[in-house]
Amino acid sequence: GAVVSQHPSRVICKSGTSVKIECRSLDFQATTMFWYRQFPKQSLMLMATSNEGSKATYEQGVEKDKFLINHASLTLSTLTVTSAHPEDSSFYICSARGTSGGETQYFGPGTRLLVL
Amino acid sequence: SQELEQSPQSLIVQEGKNLTINCTSSKTLYGLYWYKQKYGEGLIFLMMLQKGGEEKSHEKITAKLDEKKQQSSLHITASQPSHAGIYLCGAVRAGGFKTIFGAGTRLFVKA
Repeated sequence: GAVVSQHPSRVICKSGTSVKIECRSLDFQATTMFWYRQFPKQSLMLMATSNEGSKATYEQGVEKDKFLINHASLTLSTLTVTSAHPEDSSFYICSARGTSGGETQYFGPGTRLLVL
Repeated sequence: SQELEQSPQSLIVQEGKNLTINCTSSKTLYGLYWYKQKYGEGLIFLMMLQKGGEEKSHEKITAKLDEKKQQSSLHITASQPSHAGIYLCGAVRAGGFKTIFGAGTRLFVKA
């Protein structure tokens, strides 16, 4: 299957700092990328959907000014957690859907964020 | 309430035994995904079902979507420790855009 990478795989930061997470589709072009958040022992919660070159669409309850999403190219989307707080600590997973047809979403390995 | 209901929430089986996980939606699905996740890792795509009555297999894992496209079952034959993990069903609604996930089923396989 297609490969999606995320960087970094884990990050620890101080409260108040901003953290950027990258999501890349390595062997296909992704018109649409999705960002999910997962708390321990819970399912994935969709945060936002981004299309290349346009503004992201956020799910209800997700602060767009706190979670900045940029889908700059067909292979890269970034999620920036601004002014992170301990309650933002979570597992963030991105997924990508290709341009070449098919509905399959491929997921990245996830980024574990710990805010102290 | 969850848009997708998965059952059971967790399951412990002896190696070699068969098992079934269910995923039920209150609305007709455009498509349904099955993924496997190990704790703290990304999701591994297993299969996607779109047509009513469709059945697909991936190694010893078989999934079926019912005719009404509201329920799917995932069946593992002769389970092995490598099957252990969290199985997530994801629903694609009409419009075929966002994928919403069920709560997951945690599978433990005893050697």
